[in-house]
Amino acid sequence: QVQLQESGPGLVKPSETLSLTCTVSGVSLSSGSYYWSWIRQPAGKGLEWIGYIYYSGSTNYNPSLKSRVTISLDTSKNQFSLKLSSVTAADTAVYYCASLFSYSTSWYLAHWGQGTPVTVSS
Amino acid sequence: SYELTQPPSVSVSPGQTASITCSGDKLGDKYACWYQQKPGQSPVLVIYQDTKRPSGIPERFSGSNSGNTATLTIGGTQAMDEADYYCQAWDGSTVVFGGGTKLTVL
Repeated sequence: QVQLQESGPGLVKPSETLSLTCTVSGVSLSSGSYYWSWIRQPAGKGLEWIGYIYYSGSTNYNPSLKSRVTISLDTSKNQFSLKLSSVTAADTAVYYCASLFSYSTSWYLAHWGQGTPVTVSS
Repeated sequence: SYELTQPPSVSVSPGQTASITCSGDKLGDKYACWYQQKPGQSPVLVIYQDTKRPSGIPERFSGSNSGNTATLTIGGTQAMDEADYYCQAWDGSTVVFGGGTKLTVL
């Protein structure tokens, strides 16, 4: 079965870059079966989609975050990563990685990691 | 940008039917899906492609989508169904979530 696990620093200073990695097991990132996605959730609030990367390297980002986000792929390690630059306290959230499945115009997040909390504070 | 609107909260008595709505412009022309999130846990997909249930999701969960509204229905609601529920759709270029609905089983 597909499993995802986030990893990375739990504390980031304001104005610095948040970096997280998602390790995937049970499916190869290169298979093309899914788009690989990041989502975040501030404490007590709703879900916000950050973006995705496909095995080909093509990416798509939430317009509200596009100027600060980079998602990349390391197929040799079966991992994908998130970088969010110039962070502020508003970027404090639980960050999830997930597999995004697409069939025709049906897109849904089929598998989720357990989430990793990130706090932006000096 | 495309928006999905959910009621902040819905209450239901045990054994009764709970309905959670999700509204968006011509949402019926798109596919909707639903996630359940319990406190401290990751979201879990409970309905995809408007009406389909992933393996392992109880039959009491069902979905519909028509016009401007998608609906998640939980028949014979149980205490274990108390959670936050989020709808989600694809607007042609991005994943869009509703704001979430807290389901309370009284």
